[in-house]
Amino acid sequence: AQSVTQPDIHITVSEGASLELRCNYSYGATPYLFWYVQSPGQGLQLLLKYFSGDTLVQGIKGFEAEFKRSQSSFNLRKPSVHWSDAAEYFCAVGAFTGGGNKLTFGTGTQLKVEL
Amino acid sequence: GAVVSQHPSWVICKSGTSVKIECRSLDFQATTMFWYRQFPKQSLMLMATSNEGSKATYEQGVEKDKFLINHASLTLSTLTVTSAHPEDSSFYICSARDASGSAGELFFGEGSRLTVL
Repeated sequence: AQSVTQPDIHITVSEGASLELRCNYSYGATPYLFWYVQSPGQGLQLLLKYFSGDTLVQGIKGFEAEFKRSQSSFNLRKPSVHWSDAAEYFCAVGAFTGGGNKLTFGTGTQLKVEL
Repeated sequence: GAVVSQHPSWVICKSGTSVKIECRSLDFQATTMFWYRQFPKQSLMLMATSNEGSKATYEQGVEKDKFLINHASLTLSTLTVTSAHPEDSSFYICSARDASGSAGELFFGEGSRLTVL
């Protein structure tokens, strides 16, 4: 069974500073990996995804993530954080079953941005 | 991008009543939709996979008689919480896969917050 670990429950960074959110996964085959962002009381928005190919993936809002198979990691990064980036971030690993996508989510990392 | 809409976004009900939550894919057809439950400050837990025209597939530990799922068309899935109790209070989120879109991408609804008194 697949699983996702996000070691950091809360992270606080200053606006303009760089950001890295950690994600480690466990999956028996080549994983499909995702990062989602959730604002309070809202649904999830896809930031980026990795299926295959280039291990450095570019997403929306200036985010990127790097897939490292040897470390079973898919960390999310942003060079310069904006106050509007404050939200909950979820890493997820997907399994394709019978045409559907079964996503397993990590517990999330709450990002706080200090002005 | 594709849009998934949930209704209602917020509902309060009395204990013992049933509540229906709708999930619609507005600009694409979704043969498969997924229902998640999210407790405060926690992750999303997959409850069930909803397949158009067939029975839903429930995750282990989810009561199928309590959480009725119907996927009657390619754009609509409903989740009915039957005989709701306070412990059913939660944030319910649906997602849908665009069968004609990028492989593997799911689109999420805005969520529906259920409060059972």
